Amino acid sequence: NAGVTQTPKFRILKIGQSMTLQCAQDMNHNYMYWYRQDPGMGLKLIYYSVGAGITDKGEVPNGYNVSRSTTEDFPLRLELAAPSQTSVYFCASIFSGSADTQYFGPGTRLTVL
Amino acid sequence: AQTVTQSQPEMSVQEAETVTLSCTYDTSESDYYLFWYKQPPSRQMILVIRQEAYKQQNATENRFSVNFQKAAKSFSLKISDSQLGDAAMYFCAYRTLVNQGAQKLVFGQGTRLTINP
Repeated sequence: NAGVTQTPKFRILKIGQSMTLQCAQDMNHNYMYWYRQDPGMGLKLIYYSVGAGITDKGEVPNGYNVSRSTTEDFPLRLELAAPSQTSVYFCASIFSGSADTQYFGPGTRLTVL
Repeated sequence: AQTVTQSQPEMSVQEAETVTLSCTYDTSESDYYLFWYKQPPSRQMILVIRQEAYKQQNATENRFSVNFQKAAKSFSLKISDSQLGDAAMYFCAYRTLVNQGAQKLVFGQGTRLTINP
């Protein structure tokens, strides 16, 4: 198992550009999550998905969109990038059940200039 | 809404000594999970230890143990026999359930732990 994978590892965007952060998991997990980590801070939930075709907003969804067309993939779309979106983005997944623990991907460092 | 507070932005300890990282949280729920995550310079989030709120016994994982005080809403992490590889950011996290059984993790601000050789 590769676990949770994220691409790219690093990216620099100009203000107003758009991009998609990719996240994939090969563990057949139902639930997937996107977090952002600002410098010196803990992670905050952006969006999550409970299964293919079902997504919902987290704490900080503004400026982002997600889709979940398959169990494996959960891409995060940034439209009209702003400097405030400079952050490290983590994807996580979990199978189900209250006793399970989230598995995190390695993160994508995004800088918007 | 749940909140998690880590009041120590930085801590340092001598190699082989013991260090305790503090965490407090606020919630009105009675059933929840608490976690400590380690984030080394590689950025990878690594689960260190977890505690179920309904369990009175404190969780332990080798050199890592917690002091869980449910009434005081306190969840500290003790690292015994500190090693150079323990140097990292440590995050305390509270887990609650949101829509359709999905989990939501609420993180503290983190404590940067330095190990002095």
